[in-house]
Amino acid sequence: NAGVTQTPKFQVLKTGQSMTLQCAQDMNHEYMSWYRQDPGMGLRLIHYSVGAGITDQGEVPNGYNVSRSTTEDFPLRLLSAAPSQTSVYFCASRKLRADTQYFGPGTRLTVL
Amino acid sequence: GESVGLHLPTLSVQEGDNSIINCAYSNSASDYFIWYKQESGKGPQFIIDIRSNMDKRQGQRVTVLLNKTVKHLSLQIAATQPGDSAVYFCADLPSGSARQLTFGSGTQLTVLP
Repeated sequence: NAGVTQTPKFQVLKTGQSMTLQCAQDMNHEYMSWYRQDPGMGLRLIHYSVGAGITDQGEVPNGYNVSRSTTEDFPLRLLSAAPSQTSVYFCASRKLRADTQYFGPGTRLTVL
Repeated sequence: GESVGLHLPTLSVQEGDNSIINCAYSNSASDYFIWYKQESGKGPQFIIDIRSNMDKRQGQRVTVLLNKTVKHLSLQIAATQPGDSAVYFCADLPSGSARQLTFGSGTQLTVLP
């Protein structure tokens, strides 16, 4: 198993640009989620999904969109990037009836 | 509001000594707790977890202790090694349908030679 994979590893955007952060898992996990990690702060939940076709907002959803068309993939979209979205983004997944989440390697995003 | 926090942001220990990382939580509805290790430039990696019906759980060189009375948990690492240098996060999960992890800000563990 590759586990949870994320692409790209690094990205630099200009204010107003859009992009999609990719996340995939090959563990047949129903639950997938996106977090952002900022210096001195814990991981904060952006969006999550409990299965294909179902998404919901987390703690800090503004400025981000998600979709879940397949069990394996859970992309995160920034429609108009802002400097406040400069952060490290982690995707995570777990079985729906389990509690332990597994994280991807992260995407470091800088918005100029 | 409810939060999970760590007592110390940094901890330095000598190689071979035992390390203790502490965490306080405030959500009395939490029934599951987990420790993650995050090395520089990598994603959080699961270390050990514990449920609220337990006081102690041991893994390989790691032990988690849970004190529900004072809402405190700790991670003990035996015979700390250079490879243990990382940021350690605790997280809690409340019981009920909205089971989302709440993370602390992390403790940086540095192992001195």
